[in-house]
Amino acid sequence: QKEVEQDPGPLSVPEGAIVSLNCTYSNSAFQYFMWYRQYSRKGPELLMYTYSSGNKEDGRFTAQVDKSSKYISLFIRDSQPSDSATYLCAMVDTGRRALTFGSGTRLQVQP
Amino acid sequence: DTGVSQNPRHKITKRGQNVTFRCDPISEHNRLYWYRQTLGQGPEFLTYFQNEAQLEKSRLLSDRFSAERPKGSFSTLEIQRTEQGDSAMYLCASSASTEQFFGPGTRLTVL
Repeated sequence: QKEVEQDPGPLSVPEGAIVSLNCTYSNSAFQYFMWYRQYSRKGPELLMYTYSSGNKEDGRFTAQVDKSSKYISLFIRDSQPSDSATYLCAMVDTGRRALTFGSGTRLQVQP
Repeated sequence: DTGVSQNPRHKITKRGQNVTFRCDPISEHNRLYWYRQTLGQGPEFLTYFQNEAQLEKSRLLSDRFSAERPKGSFSTLEIQRTEQGDSAMYLCASSASTEQFFGPGTRLTVL
């Protein structure tokens, strides 16, 4: 079993929809949580970074962490075709520096 | 704005050859990481430097792989006697704290 599970998709939504992307994890030592966006054949781009349980909002993006359930989410409001990409969740535990990634969810926003 | 840069962007080599990749981190970042990403998967951690010290290595980093960061600035990743299974995207990231910022990657194809 992988430490971080993420549905690979693809997830196809119409433009303007609210998108929900999720990851579950098994390692309770994970304390820092990040979401990256990766366009095809490019490096991952950091979107959101959270530490505590709860919500964090940045523009059209909201990151949600529920440590008791070991579940994190990324919501995208008013989705745009330019949001079409693979979204990767990543986590760090307190004893290390390395990120542990999910396998990524491919999102397609249809115009 | 100078982000993380990687060279070359693409490398095609024959099995058994040695290859070397270079990463230039964001200038004020003292931490540097190497990851490997195969198609449909999230990046997997290879190794981590703080300044010039290599502090952590993954089990994925076989003895054919070596990484250096001689003056605590740029880093090189060398793969000796390449195998077809080494074909992947090699990503470099840098950080000053927990958030890691990635470069565009070097795509390696081993024929």
